[in-house]
Amino acid sequence: DTEVTQTPKHLVMGMTNKKSLKCEQHMGHRAMYWYKQKAKKPPELMFVYSYEKLSINESVPSRFSPECPNSSLLNLHLHALQPEDSALYLCASSQDRSQGGYGYTFGSGTRLTVV
Amino acid sequence: KNEVEQSPQNLTAQEGEFITINCSYSVGISALHWLQQHPGGGIVSLFMLSSGKKKHGRLIATINIQEKHSSLHITASHPRDSAVYICASSGAGSYQLTFGKGTKLSVIP
Repeated sequence: DTEVTQTPKHLVMGMTNKKSLKCEQHMGHRAMYWYKQKAKKPPELMFVYSYEKLSINESVPSRFSPECPNSSLLNLHLHALQPEDSALYLCASSQDRSQGGYGYTFGSGTRLTVV
Repeated sequence: KNEVEQSPQNLTAQEGEFITINCSYSVGISALHWLQQHPGGGIVSLFMLSSGKKKHGRLIATINIQEKHSSLHITASHPRDSAVYICASSGAGSYQLTFGKGTKLSVIP
């Protein structure tokens, strides 16, 4: 299995809702990432997990809460989002963050719309 | 701080043409990634290069470490190659990718 699987593919949520995005990989990668991508822009790094521990939080608002239950799973919990949070949320993984991104693999993303 | 520049920003080609997209970066890196993104879609990793040249089907990627420059070539282009191609660099001991702004390729039948 050489994929990063993200669910759901599309999500519409209200500003008072709580929802979660899910990411899964079975390649044995020990670094996992959440990126946010606005239209016609490159991805922006949000969080990095290395060996199931949060190692980087790029000053992301607390309404985004990441969780790494085990080495294969990465969740992003969403609460009280704003319309400007609407974007494509991408998950990625790599073998090890110290190897310059060896085996970097992206998921197909969750298209999030906040209404 | 590394900066990654891509050219051209937009490219339109006739089906069958040979295509080249260029990428330059400002500081030493451990790897250079070429990524593909179709409209509204996720990102697919095409190549990761640290030296030399790699080929996969009709796609060829090269890197010149001394000149801090990489190219992505597409031979016998096809409309299904229409996508945004993104160059990204990663540094030694780093988790972070530095992305170029992307090249939007349109291949016309």
